Amino acid sequence: DAGVIQSPRHEVTEMGQEVTLRCKPISGHNSLFWYRQTMMRGLELLIYFNNNVPIDDSGMPEDRFSAKMPNASFSTLKIQPSEPRDSAVYFCASSPPWGGRGNQPQHFGDGTRLSIL
Amino acid sequence: DAKTTQPNSMESNEEEPVHLPCNHSTISGTDYIHWYRQLPSQGPEYVIHGLTSNVNNRMASLAIAEDRKSSTLILHRATLRDAAVYYCILFGGAGGTSYGKLTFGQGTILTVHP
Repeated sequence: DAGVIQSPRHEVTEMGQEVTLRCKPISGHNSLFWYRQTMMRGLELLIYFNNNVPIDDSGMPEDRFSAKMPNASFSTLKIQPSEPRDSAVYFCASSPPWGGRGNQPQHFGDGTRLSIL
Repeated sequence: DAKTTQPNSMESNEEEPVHLPCNHSTISGTDYIHWYRQLPSQGPEYVIHGLTSNVNNRMASLAIAEDRKSSTLILHRATLRDAAVYYCILFGGAGGTSYGKLTFGQGTILTVHP
């Protein structure tokens, strides 16, 4: 079975440019999560969706970040304009329907390594 | 969010058992105990989870204290491939402080010696 697919795997761009990260969750999963990992702050949850609806975006650092999930098989995380401090590894994860209980595992993609020059 | 406490690092020899401890004294009744691990340059990988009873799967075993304030992840025979950062996380249902979210701490860095 295909796992969570993220693209691109690596992105290097200059400060001020728009960056779009993409994620395809596992088929049948209805929850999708975006995380960011840095040496300083570790793994942080940015936002998560349930049935394509954003449930909690309290981890989104500022208005430059936005995330969408137009359908059950695709999500984007956009940074506009990008800044050097946005450099990090961004992970997408998905999980099966969890019915309000914490008993479903999350499956992570391989991440996008983002470098803003 | 409910907090967990893990040792910063542990070491093991190959083919020996490894017991990774986790304290979670503020766990609520709806919180499940999840373990993930992250190998170098990879995304986190689900290992195991449990609520009250001990659990076994092909990767590991999870031993949960009777009062649920601590748990131990057991790797029965460590291999070099098990060298990773191991995260113990409380993941909760409705009404809990960790509802819907995995909050990663610093984890335990496991080193496996040949």
